[in-house]
Amino acid sequence: DIQMTQSPASLSVSVGETVTITCRASENIYSNLAWYQQKQGKSPQLLVYAATNLADGVPSRFSGSGSGTQYSLKINSLQSEDFGSYYCQHFWGTPYTFGGGTKLEIK
Amino acid sequence: QVQLQQPGAELVKPGASVKMSCKASGYTFTSYNMHWVKQTPGQGLEWIGAIYPGNGDTSYNQKFKGKATLTADKSSSTAYMQLSSLTSEDSAVYYCARVGYYGNFYAMDYWGQGTSVTVSS
Repeated sequence: DIQMTQSPASLSVSVGETVTITCRASENIYSNLAWYQQKQGKSPQLLVYAATNLADGVPSRFSGSGSGTQYSLKINSLQSEDFGSYYCQHFWGTPYTFGGGTKLEIK
Repeated sequence: QVQLQQPGAELVKPGASVKMSCKASGYTFTSYNMHWVKQTPGQGLEWIGAIYPGNGDTSYNQKFKGKATLTADKSSSTAYMQLSSLTSEDSAVYYCARVGYYGNFYAMDYWGQGTSVTVSS
């Protein structure tokens, strides 16, 4: 199984700051990576697919990058609605494992 | 618009089984894979498996083989997951999620609200 190591596990930041979350796969996943945002008590929502493509309706302050085994999600100028948890997930062969998640909290 | 409707909660006794539903609307049910995901505070998100309603083909995470059974009813556009021999470790929120196709790539683009399963006597 491919393991997805996500970091950091938590982050305390202020509105307006820029954050980067990383996800490392245990083997090359050839950009078959998605990022999700989950707010407390809600379902996850798709942010990024194919490592770098924003899903419909996702603000341009979000961006995805990476290739091979290393991927990142960057959020520029954090807004209050961006706080919550973020997960990566690979789609390179089953099981389609998720990263452990990053909880973004307000400082 | 695409919607996946799941019941909010199930309370079941240890050793029993539960069958939860995911009713799809707003798209062609038989053309997209439906996936199931488990979420617990300690384990995060876990991929359980998937079913292609068009022909009933399934794929399971080895960890959930024997625990989860996925089926789909084309006539009602509803996917189901049955969990058997329930223990406290099965207490979790279970999501269904449609996987969309983006060229040669995939992503869970629509999610149900989740069914919270509590296993308790």
